[in-house]
Amino acid sequence: EIVLTQSPGTLSLSPGERATLFCRASQSVSNTYLAWFQQKAGQAPRLLVYGASRRATGIPDRFSGSGSGTDFTLTISRLQPEDFAVYYCQQFSTSPLTFGGGTKVDIK
Amino acid sequence: QVQLVQSGAEVKKPGASVRFSCKASGYTFTAYYIHWVRQAPGQGLKWMGLINPSSGTTSYAPFLLDRITMARDTSTTTVFMELSGLRSEDTAVYFCVRSDMDYYGLDVWGQGTTVTVSS
Repeated sequence: EIVLTQSPGTLSLSPGERATLFCRASQSVSNTYLAWFQQKAGQAPRLLVYGASRRATGIPDRFSGSGSGTDFTLTISRLQPEDFAVYYCQQFSTSPLTFGGGTKVDIK
Repeated sequence: QVQLVQSGAEVKKPGASVRFSCKASGYTFTAYYIHWVRQAPGQGLKWMGLINPSSGTTSYAPFLLDRITMARDTSTTTVFMELSGLRSEDTAVYFCVRSDMDYYGLDVWGQGTTVTVSS
């Protein structure tokens, strides 16, 4: 199965700063099947980006996804207070569908 | 509105089985896959499998192959998932999730069902 490794494990930033989250796959992933999610405590995850760079419905344009092959990035251009959460990448280029271990973005 | 409503919390003993339901509404039931994803306390997300509500075809994660069964009832737009041979490690929140059939974007999540396995 494809293993997704996210880095860093924790990112401590202040509101207004830029956040860059990384997701590395153990083998090449088709862009079509790479997604990013946000999860807050006690809530279900929320789809942010699919197809590596397509924002899901209702997602603000401060969230952007990029990358190809084995290296993907989620960027939050200016952190808002509501953006402090855990972020997961996910692939379904090859079954089984797998998730990365997550990056926690917390307030510095 | 588009939503997935899941069945309520369960407490089970080791070795027992548990059956979940996930009722879909607000969209064409047969046009989207339904996946099941679980999250153990304090842990990340783990995919369990999917069902195509149109055909009933399923795909299960290898680590669950002999313990999981998914089914659907198109008349009630409900998907069911049964997990057998429960162990303490199965204690988790279980989510049903909708995805499109092109990008497999997991865009609509149920509220989650908590299962506690304890003797």
